Amino acid sequence: EAGVTQSPTHLIKTRGQQVTLRCSPISGHTSVYWYQQALGLGLQFLLWYDEGEERNRGNFPPRFSGRQFPNYSSELNVNALELEDSALYLCASSLGLMGANEQFFGPGTRLTVL
Amino acid sequence: SQKIEQNSEALNIQEGKTATLTCNYTNYSPAYLQWYRQDPGRGPVFLLLIRENEKEKRKERLKVTFDTTLKQSLFHITASQPADSATYLCALDTYGGATNKLIFGTGTLLAVQP
Repeated sequence: EAGVTQSPTHLIKTRGQQVTLRCSPISGHTSVYWYQQALGLGLQFLLWYDEGEERNRGNFPPRFSGRQFPNYSSELNVNALELEDSALYLCASSLGLMGANEQFFGPGTRLTVL
Repeated sequence: SQKIEQNSEALNIQEGKTATLTCNYTNYSPAYLQWYRQDPGRGPVFLLLIRENEKEKRKERLKVTFDTTLKQSLFHITASQPADSATYLCALDTYGGATNKLIFGTGTLLAVQP
């Protein structure tokens, strides 16, 4: 069974640019979660999508947005990139409510903002 | 304010010994607590989940305890091996039904010396 996949693996952007990250969940999982992991910091919850709807978001500005497609894959968009957006962006999927079920993480996308 | 704390300093132990990692939290009342392993540059991998009404959970060489009175979880690795060296993250759910989310600690780096 294929795990969670993310693309691209690495990205280098400059301040002010926009970026789109992609995630495909495990087959059968309808929930997708996005996290940001900056150097030295823990995983920060960004967004939760389920059945095509945004269910919850963390304490991030509106320039962080995303969507979930009918096939449950998801995109994370970050506009007006800032230096502090440099981080590992992780996508995860699960079978049900995230607390009660393990999350399966993808390998992440390493974003560097110059 | 709500906080999850894990040992910020690395834990160094000798191969064969038991590693004990601590996760303390304040101002949360989680129904579930999870532990993950993360290797450098990779996504976390789920290890164990324990419910608020469970005191202890075991899986092979791993053991987790959950004390809701002390607001603490302990994660033990018995007969540790160099391959156990990684960062270990605890995560707990924030109760809220459809809007709940998983909050991660910053992790503890475990180094097992041969």
